[in-house]
Amino acid sequence: KAGVTQTPRYLIKTRGQQVTLSCSPISGHRSVSWYQQTPGQGLQFLFEYFSETQRNKGNFPGRFSGRQFSNSRSEMNVSTLELGDSALYLCASSLEANYGYTFGSGTRLTVV
Amino acid sequence: KNEVEQSPQNLTAQEGEFITINCSYSVGISALHWLQQHPGGGIVSLFMLSSGKKKHGRLIATINIQEKHSSLHITASHPRDSAVYICARRGNYKLTFGKGTLLTVNP
Repeated sequence: KAGVTQTPRYLIKTRGQQVTLSCSPISGHRSVSWYQQTPGQGLQFLFEYFSETQRNKGNFPGRFSGRQFSNSRSEMNVSTLELGDSALYLCASSLEANYGYTFGSGTRLTVV
Repeated sequence: KNEVEQSPQNLTAQEGEFITINCSYSVGISALHWLQQHPGGGIVSLFMLSSGKKKHGRLIATINIQEKHSSLHITASHPRDSAVYICARRGNYKLTFGKGTLLTVNP
């Protein structure tokens, strides 16, 4: 079965721009979560969605937002990009809470 | 203090050695996850534990809920086991991650 698909794989943006990243979960998975990975901070939780409802949000500024659609696909948006937003953004899907996660390959965002 | 502490940060072993990576957490959990990440690669979920012990091939994960501690063991380590191993606690609909253990297994 198809895995978790993240698009695009790589992205270069300029400071001040905004970006939208997409995540398609495994078919049947209703939970999608997003993470930021940087060399300095490691993996950090951004959001978790279940059936279009945000269940929790990490400690990130309001420039980071997300949503989930009725088909469980999810998007995250970062507005007014800063250099420090350069990171690998990962999403993961799971069937439900307390089930295992399947991670996508990530989107590598570079802000210049 | 981080909610999730891993040790050691770096580990170098010879092929065939028994490996142990430790994870301690300070807040209660609904589940504890062990993840593997190869350099430049994606993240693979190895185990999800809420109690006891799980085994998959040469990998074994244990958890002690009372002591808030989990261990990942690799028996008969192999160079292909070289990767970063990350533990993460799940609670309140989010994962909180340790800093990871970089394992290098030399032939």
